[in-house]
Amino acid sequence: EAQVTQNPRYLITVTGKKLTVTCSQNMNHEYMSWYRQDPGLGLRQIYYSMNVEVTDKGDVPEGYKVSRKEKRNFPLILESPSPNQTSLYFCASSFRGNQYFGPGTRLLVL
Amino acid sequence: KQEVTQIPAALSVPEGENLVLNCSFTDSAIYNLQWFRQDPGKGLTSLLLIQSSQREQTSGRLNASLDKSSGRSTLYIAASQPGDSATYLCAVKGTLEYGNKLVFGAGTILRVKS
Repeated sequence: EAQVTQNPRYLITVTGKKLTVTCSQNMNHEYMSWYRQDPGLGLRQIYYSMNVEVTDKGDVPEGYKVSRKEKRNFPLILESPSPNQTSLYFCASSFRGNQYFGPGTRLLVL
Repeated sequence: KQEVTQIPAALSVPEGENLVLNCSFTDSAIYNLQWFRQDPGKGLTSLLLIQSSQREQTSGRLNASLDKSSGRSTLYIAASQPGDSATYLCAVKGTLEYGNKLVFGAGTILRVKS
């Protein structure tokens, strides 16, 4: 089954404790991206990657890092999480403009 | 900078009614426009994708139109059902010179009453 998977689905952590949210797709898509969704602000792009080893900032990249060492994986790294990064995070992959979203990761930073 | 606006923000209709959701965007240099559905606390499900060269797309009871020159798209839902209750999101993908960035509207919350 073609899909985008994210792990973990739910995460509670404390300020400053490094965390990684994994994202994997099995559709051999070149384009992948990360979004966060906040009430009243909608979905905003954090980072995107047009291919392996090619990443670029989206609209809200501060406090996040990404890497793209393999085509299928695009992890999101929070080196020192803060409470304002509490949000719902989505990973997506894309082919010919059609976006496929993962199920989301709900993050709470205390 | 591309901005996407969706009107109305919320809509409540009785079952069986036909309805229209609106999406407008400020920059006509788009690659495509996509409509999504999101159920509470869940991910996004793609409904319809319209390429910049297309005028409309249809899937079942759903029809989406695109008028690039005026910066507008509409999602038409025929014979609405309670199961259509969800948030509907419109997203515009920019051209390559804009990094193919996807910009979302804030969504329309739809409630269909039985």
